[in-house]
Amino acid sequence: GAVVSQHPSWVICKSGTSVKIECRSLDFQATTMFWYRQFPKQSLMLMATSNEGSKATYEQGVEKDKFLINHASLTLSTLTVTSAHPEDSSFYICSARVSDRVVYEQYFGPGTRLTVT
Amino acid sequence: AQTVTQSQPEMSVQEAETVTLSCTYDTSESDYYLFWYKQPPSRQMILVIRQEAYKQQNATENRFSVNFQKAAKSFSLKISDSQLGDAAMYFCASCTGTASKLTFGTGTRLQVTL
Repeated sequence: GAVVSQHPSWVICKSGTSVKIECRSLDFQATTMFWYRQFPKQSLMLMATSNEGSKATYEQGVEKDKFLINHASLTLSTLTVTSAHPEDSSFYICSARVSDRVVYEQYFGPGTRLTVT
Repeated sequence: AQTVTQSQPEMSVQEAETVTLSCTYDTSESDYYLFWYKQPPSRQMILVIRQEAYKQQNATENRFSVNFQKAAKSFSLKISDSQLGDAAMYFCASCTGTASKLTFGTGTRLQVTL
């Protein structure tokens, strides 16, 4: 149980285009999902907290108009990178917190590698 | 604000031996949780072990155990009987009781040699 999927697992796009990444909790409901960014050989940096039915909360320094987050259901959150540029190339990871469970139970997706050319 | 510090960028251990990875943290919260995550080459984050700050007893999970020193704000991970499959990046992380946002350390790359 507690499986989180991400789609796509990798994507290559041209500079200036937008890319959508999906994060799904497959066998549980997730009121809260988190989006992280990881550069090569670096740690995970939290970008935003996604709450079902409300606006996402972005961390300081993260452009909310560039990284659009939608959490429309209890099993799906999406991250859209708008007008992507090469510096947006990174590994994006989501995690989902199990609803109605203790706060620390989070499960991670396998990540999405984004390359902007 | 929480901070997590891992001072060992890389560690190496021989198969079947024991290795300890260091982690220190800082938080003003009284209710918090500490974690060790493993990230193998696949990049999938795997929870290794967690510790509730209110528990005095150190957490253990099979070959993995922690040394939680609350006053010193130290949270080290001990891996016993190391296996080749333990080779990975290990991240120490913390979260508070209310926010549930994870703050990660910079990671320690563990190599396991024959």
